[in-house]
Amino acid sequence: EVQLLESGGGLVQPGGSLRLSCAASGFTFTNYAVSWVRQAPGKGLEWVSAITSSGISRYYADSVKGRFTISRDNSKYTLYLQMSSLRAEDTALYYCAKGICGSSASCLSFDYWGQGTPVTVSS
Amino acid sequence: DIQMTQSPFSLSASVGDRVTISCQASQDISNYLNWYQQKPGKAPKRLIYDASNLETGVPSRFSGSGSGTDFTFTITSLQPDDIATYYCQHYDNLPPTFGPGTKVDIK
Repeated sequence: EVQLLESGGGLVQPGGSLRLSCAASGFTFTNYAVSWVRQAPGKGLEWVSAITSSGISRYYADSVKGRFTISRDNSKYTLYLQMSSLRAEDTALYYCAKGICGSSASCLSFDYWGQGTPVTVSS
Repeated sequence: DIQMTQSPFSLSASVGDRVTISCQASQDISNYLNWYQQKPGKAPKRLIYDASNLETGVPSRFSGSGSGTDFTFTITSLQPDDIATYYCQHYDNLPPTFGPGTKVDIK
């Protein structure tokens, strides 16, 4: 059974940093691109970032470029999102989502999602 | 970036009704389109991929059609368990973007 378990969310002050993790199981993590998708309270879904199966290529939404860094440790089956210079508008539930293949934009069809970890940016 | 629009924003229908949601892409995305169902407090669940393929285990009352820029999602006979928000999403290129969602309720 595919499982994605996010952790690391919490309350942080504007300008602060936070590191999210997503532990994967039930599939060969090293074969798939994975993404972070967020959902602000009462709002829709927003893709945040993706990383290819090898970790070589990383992609970001314009809204987080230069502030967020995606990475993965294939030996630990874990995805990360390092978030810095956080703003109030980054407040959201952050989901980890599995792509359907390894390394192209057309892989970013999300067949499995975690339950999300909440991030609140407030003073 | 490709913009995804959906209509209606919300709808209320009776049990057994046929429900149709439209999704339009700002440029040709071939059939690189998903439909997700999100129930309150839950993660999104993919129902349809490649515009018209039903995810394994998803009831056959759900279907999708279309290609290029215009897509349709249909529930042939609305059930109480279908109360949710439905999102379309393209994956033709980067960034993958979602439609704003359509909230479906029971009348």
